[in-house]
Amino acid sequence: KAGVTQTPRYLIKTRGQQVTLSCSPISGHRSVSWYQQTPGQGLQFLFEYFSETQRNKGNFPGRFSGRQFSNSRSEMNVSTLELGDSALYLCASSLPGGANTGELFFGEGSRLTVL
Amino acid sequence: AQTVTQSQPEMSVQEAETVTLSCTYDTSESDYYLFWYKQPPSRQMILVIRQEAYKQQNATENRFSVNFQKAAKSFSLKISDSQLGDAAMYFCASPLISNFGNEKLTFGTGTRLTIIP
Repeated sequence: KAGVTQTPRYLIKTRGQQVTLSCSPISGHRSVSWYQQTPGQGLQFLFEYFSETQRNKGNFPGRFSGRQFSNSRSEMNVSTLELGDSALYLCASSLPGGANTGELFFGEGSRLTVL
Repeated sequence: AQTVTQSQPEMSVQEAETVTLSCTYDTSESDYYLFWYKQPPSRQMILVIRQEAYKQQNATENRFSVNFQKAAKSFSLKISDSQLGDAAMYFCASPLISNFGNEKLTFGTGTRLTIIP
């Protein structure tokens, strides 16, 4: 069974640009969540989608957005990039309740560098 | 506030020795899960071990075990017979809220574990 796939793995952008990151969950998983990982702030929850609906949202500005498609694939978008957006963005997929019980499966992440 | 705290940014241990990583948390819930996740360099984060709060018995997975002290809100990870492949960032995490629709984990800041050959 293929794992969680994130693309691109690495990307470099400049301030003011926007970026779109993609996540393909494990087959059968309908819940997809996103986390931002930085050395200073650690792992911060961005949002979670289930059946194309955003169910949970973390404390991030409106420049951070996401969506989920009918095949459960998810994308997140960051507009008007700032230097502080440089981070590893992790996607995780699960069956319903997976985050609560530990059955959360992570991708390798997309490392974004903003210059 | 519901938080997870790891007070050891870095730890090191000799190969084959035992090491304990500390974690404390704060929640008002009576039942919840607690987890230790491992993030090797440039690799995926994976679940190491989990503990359900209502279970008094400490969880064990091969060389990994926890010391769960519910009253003290403490959840430490013990790694026995440390191996080179155990080198990684270790994160303590919990949903902290038990309702089904809350698909969100709160993570500690992590402990970087180095294994000395």
